[in-house]
Amino acid sequence: GENVEQHPSTLSVQEGDSAVIKCTYSDSASNYFPWYKQELGKRPQLIIDIRSNVGEKKDQRIAVTLNKTAKHFSLHITETQPEDSAVYFCAASVASGGSYIPTFGRGTSLIVHP
Amino acid sequence: DVKVTQSSRYLVKRTGEKVFLECVQDMDHENMFWYRQDPGLGLRLIYFSYDVKMKEKGDIPEGYSVSREKKERFSLILESASTNQTSMYLCASSYRLNTEAFFGQGTRLTVV
Repeated sequence: GENVEQHPSTLSVQEGDSAVIKCTYSDSASNYFPWYKQELGKRPQLIIDIRSNVGEKKDQRIAVTLNKTAKHFSLHITETQPEDSAVYFCAASVASGGSYIPTFGRGTSLIVHP
Repeated sequence: DVKVTQSSRYLVKRTGEKVFLECVQDMDHENMFWYRQDPGLGLRLIYFSYDVKMKEKGDIPEGYSVSREKKERFSLILESASTNQTSMYLCASSYRLNTEAFFGQGTRLTVV
């Protein structure tokens, strides 16, 4: 099955700095790559996603890049703010039984210091 | 607004008990999932279902079973709870093709 590696496990930055989280995946058939943010005590929620026919996608301060050849994708957050502090999960979706099943990375705990 | 609702926020059960975790979604999603979340291990898939009465094993199905009798409801069953099943359980749902997964609020299960 699919295997997703996510790094780093913890990332500490100062407010206003940029943060980058990287993921690699193993199954070249994966074609949908979402990122979820989970604030303390809350459910994971989608913040951005990218499909395999696109190399980069941006939404205000967050962006995701995808390199299908190397099988890695990254989340970039610019001008970080304390409210960006959360656990971020990447995922890669591969087809199984006619449906697409996301496999998640282990998560990155982002801490933004004011 | 999509709603995925899990029946309990917190549960405490005894070793050997049969435990039912219920999940209901209101968006007519075909796919439903049960994940287990443990610190440092991320979200690990226990079972998923892509249609009523259909189920597929995920990465860690041992000790669990599931039931999907209606499209909107997906139940996770711990046949005989053990202490190593103490964890946060998250239900999610999505449309069949590659789309966003919507999560429930989670059930923190403690087995004593």
